[in-house]
Amino acid sequence: GAVVSQHPSRVICKSGTSVKIECRSLDFQATTMFWYRQFPKQSLMLMATSNEGSKATYEQGVEKDKFLINHASLTLSTLTVTSAHPEDSSFYICSATWGRGSPLHFGNGTRLTVT
Amino acid sequence: TQLLEQSPQFLSIQEGENLTVYCNSSSVFSSLQWYRQEPGEGPVLLVTVVTGGEVKKLKRLTFQFGDARKDSSLHITAAQPGDTGLYLCAGAGSGGGADGLTFGKGTHLIIQP
Repeated sequence: GAVVSQHPSRVICKSGTSVKIECRSLDFQATTMFWYRQFPKQSLMLMATSNEGSKATYEQGVEKDKFLINHASLTLSTLTVTSAHPEDSSFYICSATWGRGSPLHFGNGTRLTVT
Repeated sequence: TQLLEQSPQFLSIQEGENLTVYCNSSSVFSSLQWYRQEPGEGPVLLVTVVTGGEVKKLKRLTFQFGDARKDSSLHITAAQPGDTGLYLCAGAGSGGGADGLTFGKGTHLIIQP
């Protein structure tokens, strides 16, 4: 089946630093990738939609300057949390799809802890 | 904005019992997907239902899409501890998966041995 690799799985950083999370589709071309945030015992909250070669579309309330998304190729999207603060600590998950109507395939998530 | 109401939010039952999780909306979806997520991992797709009234079975799991494509259910027969996890329903709008999915809030299922 389709595989999406997300890296790193866990990261601890100091407040004020930036962290980059990668999301790769290993065996298919992902025309669209999505980034989510998930709080403990809650569902996924969509942060942004990323189409290859174009600017990401951010959901209301998500700061685009803080959560930088780049989808430079059909197999890679990155999320950079800039100037991270403890309140940014969360579980971040990406998903990818190869086209309209196709199911999403999720990465295994990244546990970010900002100290 | 399309909303999906998922219920129950939490469910803890004994091994061997049956259960049903519901996903309801006032909106019509072109398809609906069910995912299962274990702690610290990403959701894994279980099934996609597309046609109104469609029923799909995955071993002890039975998924049904409502005739009007506004609701869906997941029924688990003879639940096992390995079924424990967060179950998410997600509906695709008229644009399909590439337009993003609307997720329910999830059902935390615990199967006690």
